Amino acid sequence: GAGVSQSPSNKVTEKGKDVELRCDPISGHTALYWYRQSLGQGLEFLIYFQGNSAPDKSGLPSDRFSAERTGGSVSTLTIQRTQQEDSAVYLCASSSPPYGISGANVLTFGAGSRLTVL
Amino acid sequence: KNEVEQSPQNLTAQEGEFITINCSYSVGISALHWLQQHPGGGIVSLFMLSSGKKKHGRLIATINIQEKHSSLHITASHPRDSAVYICAVRRGADGLTFGKGTHLIIQP
Repeated sequence: GAGVSQSPSNKVTEKGKDVELRCDPISGHTALYWYRQSLGQGLEFLIYFQGNSAPDKSGLPSDRFSAERTGGSVSTLTIQRTQQEDSAVYLCASSSPPYGISGANVLTFGAGSRLTVL
Repeated sequence: KNEVEQSPQNLTAQEGEFITINCSYSVGISALHWLQQHPGGGIVSLFMLSSGKKKHGRLIATINIQEKHSSLHITASHPRDSAVYICAVRRGADGLTFGKGTHLIIQP
C-alpha cells in the first residue's frame, strides 16, 4: 500500500481480555517497528523486526506482550490479559532497508491504534 | 538522567520567528531522527542525520557527533508548524530511544 496501515484505529476492551493489533507496512519495507505512546508520555520502543532475523524484543514491557511478523510483511502485536496501564496508542513504523544504513533515511509511521483498557 | 534530552519542553512564538529546538544525547549513536507529531497524533519523520546538516524547505537539522548534540531550526515560522517535535536516537541494531518532545505553538 501507499502507507503503513494499522488496525483497528480504536479498541476498547475490558481488563483481562486479550487484544491483537495489526500493522501492514509499506510493500517492500523489510524493517518493521512497534512503539507505544501512553497518555502524556513520550514514545517507547517495543519490538523491531528485520527480514528473517530474530526480532529485537528488548522493549517489550512484560511477557504479556508478543509480536509476530508473518511472511516478512504483516505484523500482529498481541497483548494478553490486558491491564489498564496498557492503555496507549500503539504505533507501527516501517523502513527499507533499516535506517542507519547508507542511503536509507525513510521511516514511515502508521496512524496508530488507540487501545483503551477499562 | 534520560539518554535523550530535549529543550525547551514548551515553546510559544510569534509567526515569522526563527525557532530552535535542541537535543542532547549521552550515548554513541548510529543515527538521529527528528519527528513531528501533529495535534491529531500522526507522526512524520522529518530528518534522519548521522552527520552534518540537512535542509528541507524551512526546516534545517544539524548534528555535532563529537558534542552529542543536534538542533532543529524552523525559519519564518507559521502557525501550521505548531506540533510536538521529537528527537530520537538509534544505537546499533536497537530501536529508537526518544526524547520527551518539544511542544511548539506558533501564534499568528
